[in-house]
Amino acid sequence: SQKIEQNSEALNIQEGKTATLTCNYTNYSPAYLQWYRQDPGRGPVFLLLIRENEKEKRKERLKVTFDTTLKQSLFHITASQPADSATYLCALGVDTGRRALTFGSGTRLQVQP
Amino acid sequence: DADVTQTPRNRITKTGKRIMLECSQTKGHDRMYWYRQDPGLGLRLIYYSFDVKDINKGEISDGYSVSRQAQAKFSLSLESAIPNQTALYFCATSDFAGVAGGLRDEQFFGPGTRLTVL
Repeated sequence: SQKIEQNSEALNIQEGKTATLTCNYTNYSPAYLQWYRQDPGRGPVFLLLIRENEKEKRKERLKVTFDTTLKQSLFHITASQPADSATYLCALGVDTGRRALTFGSGTRLQVQP
Repeated sequence: DADVTQTPRNRITKTGKRIMLECSQTKGHDRMYWYRQDPGLGLRLIYYSFDVKDINKGEISDGYSVSRQAQAKFSLSLESAIPNQTALYFCATSDFAGVAGGLRDEQFFGPGTRLTVL
């Protein structure tokens, strides 16, 4: 069955360091992958989309990689700040448009000052 | 004004009661979704609608029903609420475009409804 795995353990890092979050998937051939940020008690907010033919995407301090051979995406936040503390969700989609996104369960990031 | 609104924001009800959660959007998107979120389980899709006449079950549709009254409105009903339906419920919208259209499917979420079934 299709499965998306994100590390359920919280990631604790020091301010200024780079945070790296992982999204692995099995039995799935996504055309694109998205990353969302979710703060407690709020709805997720879209951050980045990367297509299957793109290896890397950047937006300000954020960088996403997508390796369809490894079936993995990495999400990096450079120069992390306490305000980056949140849960980050990955979501996979197919290009036919006839299926909804499938979300991972998310990884909580805690940036210590 | 918020683009995606949900009512009510909080609801406490009793087992066996019928509950309706409402979602409205001003983004003009055709696609709307209902998710529930439980601690440690992430977002799970209940129902989704690609337009007013196209409604599909998600992975956990049992015990739920939906109505797409208009492009802007998508309601979720619990016909007979049970305690394990206690969760945070989110509505979302998207404006899908395939690769030819620039590939986008960014989802916009409402603020959520916290439902407690006693």
